[in-house]
Amino acid sequence: ETVMTQSPATLSASPGERVTLSCTASQSVSGDLAWYQQKPGQAPRLLIYGASTRATAIPARFSGSGSGTEFTLTIGSLQSEDFALYFCQQYNYFPGTFGQGTEVEIK
Amino acid sequence: EVQLLESGGGLVQPGGSLRLSCVASGFTFSDYAMTWVRQAPGKGLEWVSLIDTSGADTFYADSAKGRFTISRDNSKGTLYLQLSSLRAEDTAVYYCAKGRGSSYPHSRYLDYWGQGTLVTVSS
Repeated sequence: ETVMTQSPATLSASPGERVTLSCTASQSVSGDLAWYQQKPGQAPRLLIYGASTRATAIPARFSGSGSGTEFTLTIGSLQSEDFALYFCQQYNYFPGTFGQGTEVEIK
Repeated sequence: EVQLLESGGGLVQPGGSLRLSCVASGFTFSDYAMTWVRQAPGKGLEWVSLIDTSGADTFYADSAKGRFTISRDNSKGTLYLQLSSLRAEDTAVYYCAKGRGSSYPHSRYLDYWGQGTLVTVSS
């Protein structure tokens, strides 16, 4: 099974800040990497697929990069609605494993 | 508007069984692979199972193999997950989610999710 490791576990930031979340795969997953956002009590929402392609209606402040084993999600300027939990998922192999999540909290 | 509505969760004793359903609307169900993902209380997401558009190919996490069965009825627009030999560690919210496409890679990441149904395994 491909293990996905996200860092940091918690990121404290202020509105307007630029933040970067990391996701590392235990083996190369090529560009088969998605990012999801989850708010309390809600289902996850797809943000990024193919490591860098924004999903429908996702604001341009969200950007993804990386390939192989190292990936990043950058939020260009944090908005109040962005404080949430973020998960990465590799889908190159079955099972499509998720990282443990990074919580972006208000500083 | 795409909608996915799960049902069938509840309290079950260890060793028991449940069948979860997910009714889909707002898209041509038979054109998309579907996936079940679960989330234990306060924990992260765990991929459980995927089924292709026709139901011919299915894939399972090791934790689900031999105990869970994914299936679909394209005529009803409904996805199922049969849970058996349930354990306390199966306690979670179970989400059904739509793949963005019918085949790799787009079938494997999830562009719409239901709100989930809670399964609690306890005596």
